[in-house]
Amino acid sequence: NAGVTQTPKFRVLKTGQSMTLLCAQDMNHEYMYWYRQDPGMGLRLIHYSVGEGTTAKGEVPDGYNVSRLKKQNFLLGLESAAPSQTSVYFCASSPGQGAYYGYTFGSGTRLTVV
Amino acid sequence: AQSVSQHNHHVILSEAASLELGCNYSYGGTVNLFWYVQYPGQHLQLLLKYFSGDPLVKGIKGFEAEFIKSKFSFNLRKPSVQWSDTAEYFCAVRNTDKLIFGTGTRLQVFP
Repeated sequence: NAGVTQTPKFRVLKTGQSMTLLCAQDMNHEYMYWYRQDPGMGLRLIHYSVGEGTTAKGEVPDGYNVSRLKKQNFLLGLESAAPSQTSVYFCASSPGQGAYYGYTFGSGTRLTVV
Repeated sequence: AQSVSQHNHHVILSEAASLELGCNYSYGGTVNLFWYVQYPGQHLQLLLKYFSGDPLVKGIKGFEAEFIKSKFSFNLRKPSVQWSDTAEYFCAVRNTDKLIFGTGTRLQVFP
């Protein structure tokens, strides 16, 4: 049982390049989330989805876009990467009733923008 | 808006010492509270969670937390830490359909 899988695990981008981070879960969870983790700032919510075909903005959505075309996948896109987007990105999922039961996290993507 | 505060940013302990990490939340109504642990280089894992009922919650690896409604607190405790407890610890509160995380406490345990 894989749980939540994130690809890629590491990536280095040049300023202005674009990329997509993929999150896949095999637990049939309704809710999926993208967070970024920065030193001293904890985890901050970028975007989330409460079901297939839905997306919503979190605390720090600027510079990112998301899509949830299939229930099991949640994609995070950076259209024009900036050094401020250097971070560790975590995807998480949760079954119904929102986050009542907490999250299952992926192993993270370490992104460096130079 | 719901928020979480972790006032201990960095804690250093020797093995066998007792641990208490502070967590305070802002909302006064019904809350769901969580503690997650992140070992070096790994993702976050659930330690324990509080929904309702007994305010003393026991989690994995000997950790426990006490929900004190009057103090808006959910502090994490362990009577005797081990070197393997070295990690970052995050408190979180549920805000409708998402979790709000604190800034984390880095725990270093020395043999």
